[in-house]
Amino acid sequence: NAGVTQTPKFQVLKTGQSMTLQCAQDMNHNSMYWYRQDPGMGLRLIYYSASEGTTDKGEVPNGYNVSRLNKREFSLRLESAAPSQTSVYFCASSGGGTSGGAGETQYFGPGTRLLVL
Amino acid sequence: AQSVTQLGSHVSVSEGALVLLRCNYSSSVPPYLFWYVQYPNQGLQLLLKYTSAATLVKGINGFEAEFKKSETSFHLTKPSAHMSDAAEYFCAVSKSNTGKLIFGQGTTLQVKP
Repeated sequence: NAGVTQTPKFQVLKTGQSMTLQCAQDMNHNSMYWYRQDPGMGLRLIYYSASEGTTDKGEVPNGYNVSRLNKREFSLRLESAAPSQTSVYFCASSGGGTSGGAGETQYFGPGTRLLVL
Repeated sequence: AQSVTQLGSHVSVSEGALVLLRCNYSSSVPPYLFWYVQYPNQGLQLLLKYTSAATLVKGINGFEAEFKKSETSFHLTKPSAHMSDAAEYFCAVSKSNTGKLIFGQGTTLQVKP
């Protein structure tokens, strides 16, 4: 099993450009998440999807959109990139079964390093 | 509202010494608590989690953590540090009985030979 995969691994954008970060999981998980990691701030939730067909905002959703394409795939789109979006982006998934997913282990991808100039 | 505070952004220990990484939480409901580890240029992986069973939780690589409700703490320990333990460690709490996690700021563990 590959677990959680993310593409690309690294990307450089100019301010105003758009791009989509791809994430896929092969663990038949219901819930998927997008986080950003910035120095000294831990990981912050951007968007999450509790199940196929549903998405909801996290702590820092401004400037991002998501699509839960199917049960396996959850993409994150930057419509007009800004330097403040320079970060490392992680996708994660969890079973999303009972209790709304509380207490479940999240499995993380290797991350996408994004630099916006 | 739930929150997590990790005391100390950098901790340095000698190889073979005790590792203690501190985490305090606030939660209005019984919490689910996690410790994740991140090795350089990798994603996060679960070390251990507390889900209201035993208060002393054992994880991978010899780590353990004790849930202390009276102190609202979930500190991570390992009796003897190994060079391979050098990494960044994150404490997290489940938000309001959902799968969403709130992470602490992270603690970088340095292990000196």
